[in-house]
Amino acid sequence: GAGVSQSPSNKVTEKGKDVELRCDPISGHTALYWYRQSLGQGLEFLIYFQGNSAPDKSGLPSDRFSAERTGGSVSTLTIQRTQQEDSAVYLCASSLSTGGFTDTQYFGPGTRLTVL
Amino acid sequence: ELKVEQNPLFLSMQEGKNYTIYCNYSTTSDRLYWYRQDPGKSLESLFVLLSNGAVKQEGRLMASLDTKARLSTLHITAAVHDLSATYFCAVEPDSNYQLIWGAGTKLIIKP
Repeated sequence: GAGVSQSPSNKVTEKGKDVELRCDPISGHTALYWYRQSLGQGLEFLIYFQGNSAPDKSGLPSDRFSAERTGGSVSTLTIQRTQQEDSAVYLCASSLSTGGFTDTQYFGPGTRLTVL
Repeated sequence: ELKVEQNPLFLSMQEGKNYTIYCNYSTTSDRLYWYRQDPGKSLESLFVLLSNGAVKQEGRLMASLDTKARLSTLHITAAVHDLSATYFCAVEPDSNYQLIWGAGTKLIIKP
């Protein structure tokens, strides 16, 4: 079946511009996660959505970052007034999240963001 | 503070050798995940370990979990070049719906 998809795959923008990154999770997955991965580094948690609950935004690095998830499916991560330090690969993952646990997270291919 | 520590962070080895990657964590957890990431690619789930003493094997990779020691190991047997990748472990604190990630172990296997 279809996996997690993300768009665009690459985004080059100028400093100060706003960008929107999109994630389509696996159908039926209630949990959706956004991570950031800088070159050669591990994963940095950004935000987590679970069903209709309020999202866990504890990982967002600044108020320039925001995300929404419409209809419990597609999610958009928005970065306003981009800075060069925002350059990274942004990964989206989804999971079934049943039985009180997160379950295996399935990752999308990522969006590589470059801020000039 | 919740921490997941992997070691080594970098490993270069010859084909045919055996080696072990270690994942230590600081919180109570009964669920631990191993993922693989190829260069320029996204993460792929390898193993889910759900209880103390759990052991999973796939090909030349075997993962185990000791929740009392807060330690998981990923053992590579008779390594082959196509196992070259970065391996991440991730721990789920009890009933927390999130994963705490290790920094990753970059594994290079030379022919």
